[in-house]
Amino acid sequence: DAKTTQPNSMESNEEEPVHLPCNHSTISGTDYIHWYRQLPSQGPEYVIHGLTSNVNNRMASLAIAEDRKSSTLILHRATLRDAAVYYCIPNRGTYKYIFGTGTRLKVLA
Amino acid sequence: GAVVSQHPSRVICKSGTSVKIECRSLDFQATTMFWYRQFPKQSLMLMATSNEGSKATYEQGVEKDKFLINHASLTLSTLTVTSAHPEDSSFYICSAGLAGGNEQYFGPGTRLTVT
Repeated sequence: DAKTTQPNSMESNEEEPVHLPCNHSTISGTDYIHWYRQLPSQGPEYVIHGLTSNVNNRMASLAIAEDRKSSTLILHRATLRDAAVYYCIPNRGTYKYIFGTGTRLKVLA
Repeated sequence: GAVVSQHPSRVICKSGTSVKIECRSLDFQATTMFWYRQFPKQSLMLMATSNEGSKATYEQGVEKDKFLINHASLTLSTLTVTSAHPEDSSFYICSAGLAGGNEQYFGPGTRLTVT
């Protein structure tokens, strides 16, 4: 399983964009890059995933480096409800997930 | 979207008793479900992979006789914590994946407190 490195914590002001980085230098060629977030006392919530190309959905955008060794989750306008722990997980489809330590995002009003 | 439920959401039990946690995929069939445990301020730790109609696969260090997993149907997996002790107090989370899909859907978690 590919190992991941994420900042322990980040802060953002409300209504500003947030870029959450993830290093996954040992990712294999068939691994998708998944991002989940977890609010306190809740199960993780799916955010976005991608393979090679950048991806957009209603929640966020995912920018994947050309060599696939890193990716960045972009929240275009952070809100207080986006305060959570964000995990990036390289994974082959529905194969078991291995969670790293994630990034705790704090959004300042 | 795909929804996974867990029951109960929280449970308190006495030391030495057993407790069962249910995980259901509400609007899809899941041949594989996963069970995680999360201690305060820590990340999720995978405990086992639950396969419908076959024995679960446990991660290294997880006692299979203590954490009994049954996946009797395509929409239900259960985790039974046998002879629970205070150190088993934790947040237990299940997940399920859509067949042929690329993401997993997580349940809301079950808070177990053993007194």
